[in-house]
Formats: sequence, C-alpha cells, structure tokens
Amino acid sequence: GAGVSQSPRYKVAKRGQDVALRCDPISGHVSLFWYQQALGQGPEFLTYFQNEAQLDKSGLPSDRFFAERPEGSVSTLKIQRTQQEDSAVYLCASSLARLTIQETQYFGPGTRLLVL
Amino acid sequence: DAKTTQPTSMDCAEGRAANLPCNHSTISGNEYVYWYRQIHSQGPQYIIHGLKNNETNEMASLIITEDRKSSTLILPHATLRDTAVYYCIRFNTNAGKSTFGDGTTLTVKP
Repeated sequence: GAGVSQSPRYKVAKRGQDVALRCDPISGHVSLFWYQQALGQGPEFLTYFQNEAQLDKSGLPSDRFFAERPEGSVSTLKIQRTQQEDSAVYLCASSLARLTIQETQYFGPGTRLLVL
Repeated sequence: DAKTTQPTSMDCAEGRAANLPCNHSTISGNEYVYWYRQIHSQGPQYIIHGLKNNETNEMASLIITEDRKSSTLILPHATLRDTAVYYCIRFNTNAGKSTFGDGTTLTVKP
C-alpha cells in the first residue's frame, strides 16, 4: 500500500518568505510526527498529533513554526518569515495507534528546504 | 539528556555480522529502545525495538543488557545495501517525543 508522502520534495525559498510543507500519512494512522533534520545530524522532534489534536509541540524552534492537522489526516507544517537556519530536511512520520501502545513510525521521504 | 550514545562510524565486511552498540544509561522504565536506519536521501526505516528482552526479526537481532543501560543491534550477514546511518532511539510511549542522536554510519565493504 501507499506509504507516507510529502510534498514538495524540494523547496527553495528566499529569506523572509513563508513556506508550507504537506504530509499525507498512511491512511488510518492516528499519530503523526514532524521532525527537522539538519545536514549530517539525526532528526530532531518538532511536534506530534493524535488525530487532529496537537499533543506535543515542544520541539518547534520558534513561533514562526506552526503545524496543523485539521481533519486528522493530512498535516501541514508552516514556516513564516523563513531564515537561513531553517534550511533542513523536514520529515513526517505516522503510526497506526496511540502512543500508549508501542507502535512503529513510518517515515516519508522528507522535504528538503533551502532558504537563500 | 534523552539522547543515546553511539559510535560515529563503523566498517563491516560483506557477509559478516555487524554489531552496532548503543549506550542509554539513563533510560527509564517506560522507555523502549528502537532502532531505525536511514539510507542517503530517504526517510528513516524501522528495524526493531525492545523493552527488556532480546528480540529478533527478519532484519536483525536486538540484545539489551539486563540493566537496560546499553544495547546492541546485530545484522547477522551484512550486505552492501545495509550501508546506512543507524539510529538508536529512546522512545517514551507515554509521550510523543522521541530523541534521535547522530547515529552510527555503517559502511559495508566488499
């Protein structure tokens, strides 16, 4: 079946521009995660949704970062007034059930954002 | 700190077992140990996970020490396609956050 998809795969933005990154999780998956991965480093947690509820946003680096999942399926990560330090790969992952049950996260291919 | 400690890089000969260590000395009782790997330009891929007992699946084996302060991922017969960055992660099932470290770059050589 279809895995997690993300779009666009690549995005070049001018500093100060707003960007929106989309994640389509696996159908029926309850949990959705966003990560930021800088070059040469491991993924860093940004935020987590259970259905439409954003239960943890402790990893969002600033108030310029905003994520939503209004209908409990597709999610969008928005970055306002992009800065060069926002350049990274943004990974989305989904898992079938709530976190009280151990569940594997399935990752998308990521969106590579370059801010000039 | 919730990050694990892994060697930066390792080499392994094709066909031999690859043993990747991970230190998680401050792990708490409700945290699982998960292993993922990431091949260049792709998203991380799940390998295996465990809590206390050793685990085995079609990809790998996971050996967790009795005190749970460290673990070892074993790829029994490494192939060239196993060349990747391997991440050992502590995952708290009561919270959304999982903490990746910088992983081990495993290079399988012919």
